[in-house]
Order: sequence, then C-alpha cells, then structure tokens
Amino acid sequence: AQSVTQPDIHITVSEGASLELRCNYSYGATPYLFWYVQSPGQGLQLLLKYFSGDTLVQGIKGFEAEFKRSQSSFNLRKPSVHWSDAAEYFCAVVKPGGATNKLIFGTGTLLAVQP
Amino acid sequence: DAGVTQSPTHLIKTRGQHVTLRCSPISGHKSVSWYQQVLGQGPQFIFQYYEKEERGRGNFPDRFSARQFPNYSSELNVNALLLGDSALYLCASSLDTTEYYGYTFGSGTRLTVV
Repeated sequence: AQSVTQPDIHITVSEGASLELRCNYSYGATPYLFWYVQSPGQGLQLLLKYFSGDTLVQGIKGFEAEFKRSQSSFNLRKPSVHWSDAAEYFCAVVKPGGATNKLIFGTGTLLAVQP
Repeated sequence: DAGVTQSPTHLIKTRGQHVTLRCSPISGHKSVSWYQQVLGQGPQFIFQYYEKEERGRGNFPDRFSARQFPNYSSELNVNALLLGDSALYLCASSLDTTEYYGYTFGSGTRLTVV
C-alpha cells in the first residue's frame, strides 16, 4: 500500500535561517504530490503541488519543493524562515487515475521558529 | 466567496452517543470529502462524495456514515461514539474527483468524546 514518510517529527530553526522538510513516498508509480500547512486550530492550506514537468515547484509564501524520482522524495524548502511559518507541515500524495482524489498524508512535521 | 464552512466548530459527546457534523462546500464545488485527524497524526480519509454518490470510503467502521445533499452540502454521522473517535474532523471540497483541482479544507470540527 502507498505510504508517505516524514522522518522529522519536530524541527526548530532560527528566524532567517533556511529550512528543508523531508518527505518520502512509497508507491508503485509516481503519484501526485502535495505539501499542506496547518496552523494551530486551523484547517489545511495548500502550499504547492507537483503533477509532472519541471521537478522544482514554486508555491505560496516563498516555499518551493523538489521532486526526485530516484529518491522517491519531495522535500519542501524555504531560503529564509519567518516567525509566521511556525506551523505543522504535511506531505501528501494522490494516486493518479483513481476513482477518488483522496489524499494520503504523512504524519507531519511541526516547525518551531526561534527569534 | 465563502470558503468551506463546517459546523459546529467544537463539541463534546459522551461515549455511546451519536454525532452529526456538517459541511458546506465552496460554491460550484460538487465533491466533498471527510478526513479524521487524531492528535499528532496526519489526516485520514473517511469518505468522498460527488454528485450525491459515494465515490470512496476509507478504512473506517460502519459506525461512520455520510451523505451529500442536492445543494452539495454534506453530513458526517458517527454512531456509538468511542473515546478513540475524539479528533479533528476536516471537510474538504473540490470541483470534482480528479486530482488536478485538489482540495480546499475547512477549519474542522473538534470532537471530544468523554
């Protein structure tokens, strides 16, 4: 069965530092890939998505992600973190061509930002 | 345009009771999906409805049921509540069931079972 792994449960970075959140997927074919952000007590907001084409994807709030087929990875990056980026981040996949577009989520990475 | 709206935002129920959660999708969206997010976990898919028909069901017991109305709003029902049903229940709407459009999520209903 397909799965998504986010190996880092909790990450702390200093404001202004760069950020990389890891995501690996296990799937027979290349799925569609997503990153969502969840602020405390809120729903999920889509940061970016990858379907095909250019493997470097730009998203909102200055985030980008790179798809690496050979590593089954879709890591999220930001060159300079702001205090408002503190939140939980979820990587998710969708099976292409399925009967539904249900998302399969990783367990999330909680980002804390130090002043 | 209003986003995805869910009601209530919070509720507390006793074990064995029944609960109904409601969701109104974005105008024009015909698909509604439900997810359960237990504390410390990623959301888990429960149901997807499109044009009032069930299109997908996750690995949840029959105590969980849902339906979609002609105006595309949806209800999630959970019977015989267990402590383990305590979670944030998220509703998401999309234009249809294809992957290209993705979801817009509501802020969720926080259910506490005591």
